[in-house]
Amino acid sequence: AQTVTQSQPEMSVQEAETVTLSCTYDTSESDYYLFWYKQPPSRQMILVIRQEAYKQQNATENRFSVNFQKAAKSFSLKISDSQLGDAAMYFCAYRIQGGSEKLVFGKGTKLTVNP
Amino acid sequence: DAGVIQSPRHEVTEMGQEVTLRCKPISGHNSLFWYRQTMMRGLELLIYFNNNVPIDDSGMPEDRFSAKMPNASFSTLKIQPSEPRDSAVYFCASTSRAQDYEQYFGPGTRLTVT
Repeated sequence: AQTVTQSQPEMSVQEAETVTLSCTYDTSESDYYLFWYKQPPSRQMILVIRQEAYKQQNATENRFSVNFQKAAKSFSLKISDSQLGDAAMYFCAYRIQGGSEKLVFGKGTKLTVNP
Repeated sequence: DAGVIQSPRHEVTEMGQEVTLRCKPISGHNSLFWYRQTMMRGLELLIYFNNNVPIDDSGMPEDRFSAKMPNASFSTLKIQPSEPRDSAVYFCASTSRAQDYEQYFGPGTRLTVT
């Protein structure tokens, strides 16, 4: 069974600094997708970034980028120039390509941004 | 687009009562998912539908939980009878091939069973 592990229950960062959130996963599949979702206090789940496993290039969305290491089954999220609005729970998620559409989520990392 | 709509946003009920949560997916999406979020267990998939047909209900906790999707624009998740341990936030999400199966989440329903 696929599992997603986020080893950091909580992280903090100073405003304007950079922070990296860790995620590892376990799968025997070769084709899959990985996602980072943000959940602010409003509890709305917002997709931050996605990565297709077949792509070697790391995905980037403005201040958000990932470090995807397929062999190590690692998928970390880097937030640059952190802003107060980045404070939220961040969830790493996995889905196989084709077949089941279900997402498997990690337990989340609570990010605090200090002014 | 209105996004995924869930109702009610908050529900407080007494143990033993029936609870019905509702979801309207984004128009044109043909897959719908029900998730439960708790502090202890995180986000768990309960069930998902494709073209109104349940595909995977392995996450449904027990017989007290049931879900239906009578048409492409409406789904319900029912708990009967409810128990305090059912207290959680319940999310509905929808997607389609056109969205490359990116899931769009509703705002969630916070359920409290006393």
